[in-house]
Amino acid sequence: QVQLKESGPGLVQPSETLSLTCTVSGFSLTSYSVSWVRQPSGKGPEWMGRMWYDGDTAYNSALKSRLSISRDTSKNQVFLKMNSLQTDDTGTYYCTRDDGFAYWGQGTLVTVSS
Amino acid sequence: DIQMTQSPASLSASLGETVSIECLASEGISNSLAWYQQKPGKSPQLLIYGASSLQDGVPSRFSGSGSGTQYSLKISGMQPEDEGVYYCQQGYKYPLTFGSGTKLEIK
Repeated sequence: QVQLKESGPGLVQPSETLSLTCTVSGFSLTSYSVSWVRQPSGKGPEWMGRMWYDGDTAYNSALKSRLSISRDTSKNQVFLKMNSLQTDDTGTYYCTRDDGFAYWGQGTLVTVSS
Repeated sequence: DIQMTQSPASLSASLGETVSIECLASEGISNSLAWYQQKPGKSPQLLIYGASSLQDGVPSRFSGSGSGTQYSLKISGMQPEDEGVYYCQQGYKYPLTFGSGTKLEIK
């Protein structure tokens, strides 16, 4: 069945770089796109960016200067890197299969704090 | 960016009551609108896509409607498991944007 799972550090220092991995199963990254979505505690979700099935990317313009999304199709993984983290980047980070966001990972909590 | 304004921010409903949640887009989004339910500590769950299409496995008491800039989610007969936060999301234009949520509780 379709599964997505996020992994990465739970705690990041301010000004440092966040690196997250989304490992998928049950579908191919060359057939489906994957998006990253984050959600501060108690607030609505924010779409961050998308890795298209053909390898192209799209980013939220508000984050574009700090954000990079890549993939390794042989490992069924999509990667997120975001630099210059600040405290308001704290929240739960999700990856989701991008056919209407019908499938989501469980999310990973990222806290930006010294 | 397209702003998605949800109302109300919160509401409580009795079991069996019909509930409606509204979502207003800052510009027309051509029915490219989805609704999600989120429970504490869980990922959002897709309920409705394309403004009115019911996602597989979602109870038929959930329905969506609307066009242009105005959309709504209706729950016909509130059930205990319907408690949660509901979000609308537009997929018409980048960046994809979500509403700020409606918290639904049992009265």
